[in-house]
Amino acid sequence: DAGVTQSPTHLIKTRGQHVTLRCSPISGHKSVSWYQQVLGQGPQFIFQYYEKEERGRGNFPDRFSARQFPNYSSELNVNALLLGDSALYLCASSPRGTGVGNQPQHFGDGTRLSIL
Amino acid sequence: AQSVSQHNHHVILSEAASLELGCNYSYGGTVNLFWYVQYPGQHLQLLLKYFSGDPLVKGIKGFEAEFIKSKFSFNLRKPSVQWSDTAEYFCAVNGAMSGGGADGLTFGKGTHLIIQP
Repeated sequence: DAGVTQSPTHLIKTRGQHVTLRCSPISGHKSVSWYQQVLGQGPQFIFQYYEKEERGRGNFPDRFSARQFPNYSSELNVNALLLGDSALYLCASSPRGTGVGNQPQHFGDGTRLSIL
Repeated sequence: AQSVSQHNHHVILSEAASLELGCNYSYGGTVNLFWYVQYPGQHLQLLLKYFSGDPLVKGIKGFEAEFIKSKFSFNLRKPSVQWSDTAEYFCAVNGAMSGGGADGLTFGKGTHLIIQP
């Protein structure tokens, strides 16, 4: 079975641009979460989506947004990119969503975003 | 502030040595606890998890962890490490402290483990 897939693998942008990152969850998983991992740090929670609705949000500015599609895939959008947005962006999926917190999340390989 | 603390950022051991990586969290409510591992060039993988019940949990590849509620700790252990255990190890928790949804994880900064042959 395919795991969580993310695209693109690598991306280079300049300050002020916007970016869209994509994620396909494991088949049958309905919840998708996004994390930002800066070099030398652990992943930081950005969003969780379940059944196309935002169910959780971390401490990130409004420049970050996301959505989930009927097929449970998801996009993360970041506007007005800053140098500090350079990071590995991870997507994770789990079978169910909010209210069933005791589920392990399955992570993709991530998208490496570099801002010049 | 609610957080997860991993005490050692870099650990170097010889093969067959015993391993213990520390993890403490700051939250008084019910939490779910995880250890994830990231091997070089690979994605994060679940090593083990604690939801409830026996506080000593066993995971893959001979790893185990003990949840000590009074100490807010969830230390990872392995009796005898192998060269293939070289990786980055992350402790994570979720619950109301994550700042997001019920499934949002709060991670520690990670421990880079190097096993020398």
